[in-house]
Amino acid sequence: GAGVSQSPRYKVTKRGQDVALRCDPISGHVSLYWYRQALGQGPEFLTYFNYEAQQDKSGLPNDRFSAERPEGSISTLTIQRTEQRDSAMYRCASSLETESLGSNTQYFGPGTRLTVL
Amino acid sequence: QKEVEQNSGPLSVPEGAIASLNCTYSDRGSQSFFWYRQYSGKSPELIMSIYSNGDKEDGRFTAQLNKASQYVSLLIRDSQPSDSATYLCAVNYQLIWGAGTKLIIKP
Repeated sequence: GAGVSQSPRYKVTKRGQDVALRCDPISGHVSLYWYRQALGQGPEFLTYFNYEAQQDKSGLPNDRFSAERPEGSISTLTIQRTEQRDSAMYRCASSLETESLGSNTQYFGPGTRLTVL
Repeated sequence: QKEVEQNSGPLSVPEGAIASLNCTYSDRGSQSFFWYRQYSGKSPELIMSIYSNGDKEDGRFTAQLNKASQYVSLLIRDSQPSDSATYLCAVNYQLIWGAGTKLIIKP
């Protein structure tokens, strides 16, 4: 079956614009995660969902960042009034579920490379 | 603050030798531990997960967990040039990640 997909793959925007990044998880996966990854660093947790419920948003850097997953499948990460420091690779991952050992392997999408000019 | 620490490397290992990668974590209550491999420009992919103290083997890979000492390691036997990548350690449902160790296997 299809893996995790993300769109767009590349996004260049001007400072101050809003951007929306989309993630389509593996079908049937309950949990969906958003990460940001800087070059040479590990993924930085932003937020995650179980079904449509946002379980933890402690990693969102500030109130310009928000995420939703209204129907428990596709998710959108929105960054308002983008700043140059928001430039990074944004990665989405999904897993069967979060809590059960053995079912929480995360499968990553290809990422969206965001560049804010 | 909960942290996961890894030596950034690069770790250079001759082809055919054993590569040893280490990771320490600060949260003593951590229950699940993961090793991911990330090739340059690609997304992380799971190599192994481990939940209990001791060793877990899968092909050329062995994960070792010591909860008392709060470290987890990954051994790669018979290292191949294709193993050259960054290896990421993740803890607790993969919400806490290390920065990764860059491994270079020299032919």
